[in-house]
Amino acid sequence: QVQLVESGGGVVQPGRSLRLSCAASGFSFSNYGMHWVRQAPGKGLEWVADISYDGRNKYYADSVKGRFTISRDNSKNTLYLQMNSLRAEDTAVYYCAKDWKWEVLTSGFDYWGQGTLVIVSS
Amino acid sequence: QSALTQPASVSGSPGQSIAISCTGTNSDVGGSKYVSWYQHHPGKAPKLLIYEVTNRPSGASNRFSGSKSDNTASLTISGLQAEDEADYYCSSYTSSSTVVFGGGTKLTVL
Repeated sequence: QVQLVESGGGVVQPGRSLRLSCAASGFSFSNYGMHWVRQAPGKGLEWVADISYDGRNKYYADSVKGRFTISRDNSKNTLYLQMNSLRAEDTAVYYCAKDWKWEVLTSGFDYWGQGTLVIVSS
Repeated sequence: QSALTQPASVSGSPGQSIAISCTGTNSDVGGSKYVSWYQHHPGKAPKLLIYEVTNRPSGASNRFSGSKSDNTASLTISGLQAEDEADYYCSSYTSSSTVVFGGGTKLTVL
């Protein structure tokens, strides 16, 4: 069965960095686009970034562009999110999610991890 | 990247049908075939209900259906059940190759 397991969350001071990981299993990871989505406390879902199946194409929300970097290692079935220059408003539960469509990026995410909490606070 | 517009809340009685709207622009909902809907119970992972405007993934109940007209997509839930009480989000792929979510709608089953 498909499993996505996020790790790397925690408490970090403003301006510092954190790297999230998402270990994937149960599907052909190298053939699907992947996404990061976050939910701040009491707020709705916010798409953060995505990456194509082969890692060649990456797209970001304006709110994180220039600070966050999405990447993947298909040999390790792992997705990453490098978060630099963190701000209080980046505090959220971060989910990794699998695109439903083979080798195409869409807005349909058929499997999600359970999320990892990032708290940016001094 | 403005969020898609959804009503903050809707409600209905068991057995009734309700619809949730999701309004965007020509650059997202109106111009994209990739419009999706999610159900989110607090503390759990979101669940995909609809993809490509009208398609239901395996595992999603046939009580959920999607449609679109111009810049507005809609999710209809028929035969409301208590377990349908949750937050619902629409999302759309955009002309900038990004994804935008709606602000979310809280469904209360009376």
